[in-house]
Amino acid sequence: GAGVSQSPRYKVAKRGQDVALRCDPISGHVSLFWYQQALGQGPEFLTYFQNEAQLDKSGLPSDRFFAERPEGSVSTLKIQRTQQEDSAVYLCASSPTSVTGAGYTFGSGTRLTVV
Amino acid sequence: DAKTTQPPSMDCAEGRAANLPCNHSTISGNEYVYWYRQIHSQGPQYIIHGLKNNETNEMASLIITEDRKSSTLILPHATLRDTAVYYCIVRATLTGTASKLTFGTGTRLQVTL
Repeated sequence: GAGVSQSPRYKVAKRGQDVALRCDPISGHVSLFWYQQALGQGPEFLTYFQNEAQLDKSGLPSDRFFAERPEGSVSTLKIQRTQQEDSAVYLCASSPTSVTGAGYTFGSGTRLTVV
Repeated sequence: DAKTTQPPSMDCAEGRAANLPCNHSTISGNEYVYWYRQIHSQGPQYIIHGLKNNETNEMASLIITEDRKSSTLILPHATLRDTAVYYCIVRATLTGTASKLTFGTGTRLQVTL
């Protein structure tokens, strides 16, 4: 596709349930980012991949959060034993190069609601 | 990355220029100014970036003061579709590695009829 695709668009999870959020970046994009956006706040960085290598995971809030990009294209963000504070929009962004400065393209996000 | 300060909200009449200010008084010499916007229920969208010269593209103009401590994003003829949250971000551009953008809370621009 022409843009970054994220699925599902909406996810409702019961507290304690595991969830998996998918990101399809623009084909050929080297860099991939995950962000978390709470209601009324700006996006906050979670993790960054360059191809299949996870180079920065400093923003992951706990060990319940795990991200992977095994073949350097599609990425999955997994949240184990979800809690109410995990409720947020999860955004994925990709960039064609590993050089900062190119505008990142964001997907529309997955809205996760934990009940 | 340098911290930025933006007004929380602004209004603009449709067809008029929208001027969105941003203060970044601690910006370093190698840090660029980036602007993104986020329309409701969408992901952020890249608008423009610059180092010290004024920049213009099909979406907007970016005016950076000579001392680089502040900048203004200009939407020359705002439309209702420009209603969004606008984020000003400063960060260094480094070769060989890309890294995170640090978003603040931005300016909520409301364009009205």
